[in-house]
Amino acid sequence: SAVISQKPSRDICQRGTSLTIQCQVDSQVTMMFWYRQQPGQSLTLIATANQGSEATYESGFVIDKFPISRPNLTFSTLTVSNMSPEDSSIYLCSAASTSGRTLYTQYFGPGTRLTVL
Amino acid sequence: DAKTTQPTSMDCAEGRAANLPCNHSTISGNEYVYWYRQIHSQGPQYIIHGLKNNETNEMASLIITEDRKSSTLILPHATLRDTAVYYCIVKRSQGNLIFGKGTKLSVKP
Repeated sequence: SAVISQKPSRDICQRGTSLTIQCQVDSQVTMMFWYRQQPGQSLTLIATANQGSEATYESGFVIDKFPISRPNLTFSTLTVSNMSPEDSSIYLCSAASTSGRTLYTQYFGPGTRLTVL
Repeated sequence: DAKTTQPTSMDCAEGRAANLPCNHSTISGNEYVYWYRQIHSQGPQYIIHGLKNNETNEMASLIITEDRKSSTLILPHATLRDTAVYYCIVKRSQGNLIFGKGTKLSVKP
């Protein structure tokens, strides 16, 4: 299994600012994902972070608001831009490896708890 | 990917088996059944997955009906630390994990 760490673990930010969340995996993985969990809700997939190409965003999420980087096979960042109180959520990084068309088990980081004032 | 239906909440006595049901009547032949859980304020934790056959690991057992339209996750001896939201997810091997609302399991002393 992959061990995933995230920084920061939590932050309180002012509206209109941006925050970059880092995700580090202890081994090389093919796929990395970013999820959002709003208060009292389930997880929603934001995007798949692709190494060497642009991220693939789910419906309702756009690159200008949530730019993602994936410089190598163990690291990714998610930026929450021009924040508003509605962006207050837990942001979770996830990773999995693939072989051919098989996506192996996804593992999750501990999450970043973001509060926007 | 097929949708799943789970009870909103369940209680279980400490030391007893917890049986969490999941309906997935529209599952396709190439879709797997995955179970994750999320303990309060933590990231989701992988538990187990299966395609057709029953599966067991150190955490739990997964029983899939012969028609694959439903499954049951069994925690054989529930402890207080098993209190969590349990998610049943059906997906193709290369599909994304799409989370529903899950079942909130409360293990009581």
